[in-house]
Amino acid sequence: VMTQSPVSLPVTPGEPASISCRSSQSLLSRNGYNYLDWYVQKPGQSPQLLIYLASNRASGVPDRFSGSGSGTDFTLKISRVEAEDVGIYYCMQAYRTLWTFGQGTKVEIK
Amino acid sequence: EVQLVDSGGGLVQPGGSLKLSCAASGFIFSDSALHWVRQASGKGLEWIGRIRTKPNNYETAYAASVEGRFTISRDDSKNTAYLQMNSLNDDDTAVYYCARHVEYSALPRIWGQGTMVTVSS
Repeated sequence: VMTQSPVSLPVTPGEPASISCRSSQSLLSRNGYNYLDWYVQKPGQSPQLLIYLASNRASGVPDRFSGSGSGTDFTLKISRVEAEDVGIYYCMQAYRTLWTFGQGTKVEIK
Repeated sequence: EVQLVDSGGGLVQPGGSLKLSCAASGFIFSDSALHWVRQASGKGLEWIGRIRTKPNNYETAYAASVEGRFTISRDDSKNTAYLQMNSLNDDDTAVYYCARHVEYSALPRIWGQGTMVTVSS
């Protein structure tokens, strides 16, 4: 089970934001990788990969996005929120065959 | 360009069938497991199944909600994966995405753009 918090996150442009994701089981593989991704889904679009393996930014993702954590506890941080960052953010574990997702965090501008 | 293109969605009556396709380009398709994920309108993401690679005997796995009704297959010569959906019901109405996963690697997941399936009479 993937537990994400908060469910809703009102943010002020220019301010930082943080989303937490907790797994009921460790996502740390024997190869040393944490199979935890972060996605953002904007209205009418497919999920877009932001962070993979817990802390690796996907190609083209601004460096204001960062991921951290290991094992069961993970965090997505936005150093300075911009208006274009609104959307629903999901964490997803790809450690087990049956991928599971957090319930999503809706980021909106105050 | 590394990408997956989902296609084949549409309107189907309850009890009907539909086959989705996921066409890959820009990477070694045969080295990748292919997963299918769906999302009903206004809902979260639901994993529905995956197919592994030839060295892993094209092993498949399914979510309980689709087991026995959905079948995933692949044709590595065409760089394409398929999702055969039978006995469709209203709960299967969703956008369906395929996604690449190279097992035991540090490569990122890649997702298709999704294809809409509507089950309605």
